[in-house]
Amino acid sequence: AQRVTQPEKLLSVFKGAPVELKCNYSYSGSPELFWYVQYSRQRLQLLLRHISRESIKGFTADLNKGETSFHLKKPFAQEEDSAMYYCALPTGGGNKLTFGTGTQLKVEL
Amino acid sequence: GAVVSQHPSRVICKSGTSVKIECRSLDFQATTMFWYRQFPKQSLMLMATSNEGSKATYEQGVEKDKFLINHASLTLSTLTVTSAHPEDSSFYICSAFSGTGTTQGQFFGPGTRLTVL
Repeated sequence: AQRVTQPEKLLSVFKGAPVELKCNYSYSGSPELFWYVQYSRQRLQLLLRHISRESIKGFTADLNKGETSFHLKKPFAQEEDSAMYYCALPTGGGNKLTFGTGTQLKVEL
Repeated sequence: GAVVSQHPSRVICKSGTSVKIECRSLDFQATTMFWYRQFPKQSLMLMATSNEGSKATYEQGVEKDKFLINHASLTLSTLTVTSAHPEDSSFYICSAFSGTGTTQGQFFGPGTRLTVL
């Protein structure tokens, strides 16, 4: 079955520290993976997708097929990065997405 | 671009009544929209896929007679929670899929908080 796992419910880091939000997937074939972010009281929005290999707000994510991972990284956390982060995987055709359980990132001063 | 709106943002109703939630893609056409349910501090759970001009596709365990979905145009999908009960209280989120243009993917509405008394 196609599945996304985010093992950490909460990740607390200090401002300026590196951040790594973990995401592991189970998928047969070549997956297209996404990271979505939900800031407090705001809607869910796309942060980045692996096929575009872009860096948004300093975040990057590399698809590691050997480890079946798509971890989200940022070298220096900022206070405004505090949010809920979801890893997502297309499943079942028709552009459906399966979301991980999410990781709450808290950046402390 | 790729803005999705939902109406209402918040609704409180009595048990046994029906509630309609609208999802609109404001600046693009969406042949496919999705309806999710999100419980407090939990992930989004896909309820159904709304297809313009055809019947919605429901996920396993979601009652199609309880959660009626209509996708009458390329910019509007509605979710009607029929005979609502307190256990239906939740945060309902829609998304619209854009497969063309420079912005592609699922774009999410702000959500609707339903409270059933």
